[in-house]
Amino acid sequence: DQQVKQNSPSLSVQEGRISILNCDYTNSMFDYFLWYKKYPAEGPTFLISISSIKDKNEDGRFTVFLNKSAKHLSLHIVPSQPGDSAVYFCAASAEGWTQGGSEKLVFGKGTKLTVNP
Amino acid sequence: DTEVTQTPKHLVMGMTNKKSLKCEQHMGHRAMYWYKQKAKKPPELMFVYSYEKLSINESVPSRFSPECPNSSLLNLHLHALQPEDSALYLCASSQTKDRLISYEQYFGPGTRLTVT
Repeated sequence: DQQVKQNSPSLSVQEGRISILNCDYTNSMFDYFLWYKKYPAEGPTFLISISSIKDKNEDGRFTVFLNKSAKHLSLHIVPSQPGDSAVYFCAASAEGWTQGGSEKLVFGKGTKLTVNP
Repeated sequence: DTEVTQTPKHLVMGMTNKKSLKCEQHMGHRAMYWYKQKAKKPPELMFVYSYEKLSINESVPSRFSPECPNSSLLNLHLHALQPEDSALYLCASSQTKDRLISYEQYFGPGTRLTVT
């Protein structure tokens, strides 16, 4: 059973507009959420994270919003640029999944973002 | 420096071969991870090392054998693999969780493995 769901396999946006990528989760024990970007033939690149004690975190053009009651988070990219075209993965870790200081992440299936010039 | 390096980039091996994947980081991270990613799927955790000790094994078949020789290196030894083991193998590292503070994992570029 998927604990992290990204229900939109793809999203297409015009350059300069806002991109909104969504992620839903089912495990109420998740306390840390991350977004990664992945280009073909490369490893995932960390973008931004948010702890469950916050509802918003911003880093430059990237903002992550967390709605715990709805078990939903979103990544906003504004303004979108053609270089943002990639697959975006949402990931989460649960309190209690820590072993010896390491954390287990589970990933969503990803959303392919295409930013058109 | 947030670089995790992996070698080789590509590997083709037969089902009777023995090979190893290597991963290295110099960020001082004491947690290191192996993930497997199939096409159009998310990364799936295989193993986690914390302070050079195996802390998580996600019920991975014994034909995959991890090793952490020191705090900077992580190996994945492969033996008698099956064609369905063909995938992108990703290494990652992170700081260890500090009380309530979690840290992001940094990924290497991966090794593209093909088993024939």
